[in-house]
Amino acid sequence: GAVVSQHPSWVICKSGTSVKIECRSLDFQATTMFWYRQFPKQSLMLMATSNEGSKATYEQGVEKDKFLINHASLTLSTLTVTSAHPEDSSFYICSAQPRLARDYEQYFGPGTRLTVT
Amino acid sequence: AQSVAQPEDQVNVAEGNPLTVKCTYSVSGNPYLFWYVQYPNRGLQFLLKYITGDNLVKGSYGFEAEFNKSQTSFHLKKPSALVSDSALYFCAVRSGFGNEKLTFGTGTRLTIIP
Repeated sequence: GAVVSQHPSWVICKSGTSVKIECRSLDFQATTMFWYRQFPKQSLMLMATSNEGSKATYEQGVEKDKFLINHASLTLSTLTVTSAHPEDSSFYICSAQPRLARDYEQYFGPGTRLTVT
Repeated sequence: AQSVAQPEDQVNVAEGNPLTVKCTYSVSGNPYLFWYVQYPNRGLQFLLKYITGDNLVKGSYGFEAEFNKSQTSFHLKKPSALVSDSALYFCAVRSGFGNEKLTFGTGTRLTIIP
């Protein structure tokens, strides 16, 4: 149980285009989902926290107009990188916190590698 | 503000030997502590957590961690390392005061030498 999927697992796009990444909780409902960014050989940096049915809360320094987050249902959150540039190339990981989470557990997706050319 | 320190970027251990991956933390109030493992190009897999209770926590794949409040540490241990344990390990902390954010350490790359 507690499986989180991400789609796509990797994507290559041209500079200036937009890319959407999906994060799904497959066997549980998640009131809260988190989006992280991981640079090579570095730790995970929290980008934003999304709660179902409300606007995402972005961490300081993260451009909300560039990284659009939608948490439309209890099992799906999407991250759209708008007008992507090469510096947006990174590994993006989502996590989901079950609605009935015990001890605030988060379950992580497998990640999406974005390469902007 | 909460923080996590993993002082070693790289740990090398011979197969069959015990391993330790170090983690210290700083947080207001009672800490919730977690260890995760990451294999190449994959997301994070949960290993174990400390919330309350026994200071020695046992987790997946034979790993355990000891919560030491006086030293603000939560070191990850395993009695006998396997080559398959080679991966990137992250320690994470969050406050027990309803703050949902996890703060991660910088990660420790564990290499088990056959």
